Amino acid sequence: AQSVTQLDSHVSVSEGTPVLLRCNYSSSYSPSLFWYVQHPNKGLQLLLKYTSAATLVKGINGFEAEFKKSETSFHLTKPSAHMSDAAEYFCVKEYGNKLVFGAGTILRVKS
Amino acid sequence: SQTIHQWPATLVQPVGSPLSLECTVEGTSNPNLYWYRQAAGRGLQLLFYSVGIGQISSEVPQNLSASRPQDRQFILSSKKLLLSDSGFYLCAWRISGTGLEQYFGPGTRLTVT
Repeated sequence: AQSVTQLDSHVSVSEGTPVLLRCNYSSSYSPSLFWYVQHPNKGLQLLLKYTSAATLVKGINGFEAEFKKSETSFHLTKPSAHMSDAAEYFCVKEYGNKLVFGAGTILRVKS
Repeated sequence: SQTIHQWPATLVQPVGSPLSLECTVEGTSNPNLYWYRQAAGRGLQLLFYSVGIGQISSEVPQNLSASRPQDRQFILSSKKLLLSDSGFYLCAWRISGTGLEQYFGPGTRLTVT
């Protein structure tokens, strides 16, 4: 079965420090992977996507993710956290016409 | 550019009452359309998706139904709401094809009392 595992349900960082949100996916030949962000009571916004091009993917708001096939991972990073980054983040894999979502990671940014 | 609308934004309904949530997409033709529910602590659950007018696939048997009367309109309904239907309902669209992202609407917060 297709699955996406986000290894941390909550991550807390200080403003200005790096962010790492971890994601592993069930293996498939050529996966399409995404990261979405959701602020409270809002819809999901696409941060970035990987579709078999460069393994390091740059997204909006300074986020990037690295696709590692050998580790079946797609971790999300940002060099310096901002207060506005506090939100819930979802790692997502495409499967057919549908998306498979991870359980989400809530990012808290401390001042 | 494409935009997606959902209404209402919030809704409080008693148990046993009917439900109709509407989603419309502008600026694209023949999109794939999706309904998701997000309940506290349960992540996003795909409820229905549609690849064309009148074509509905149900992912989870439940108290809800969906219809697509027009190319860019997707409606989520229930004849009698249950307490367990409470949640945040999200509509999404994407272009037909593979490897393509979905774009989400602003959501409807439904509370069944």
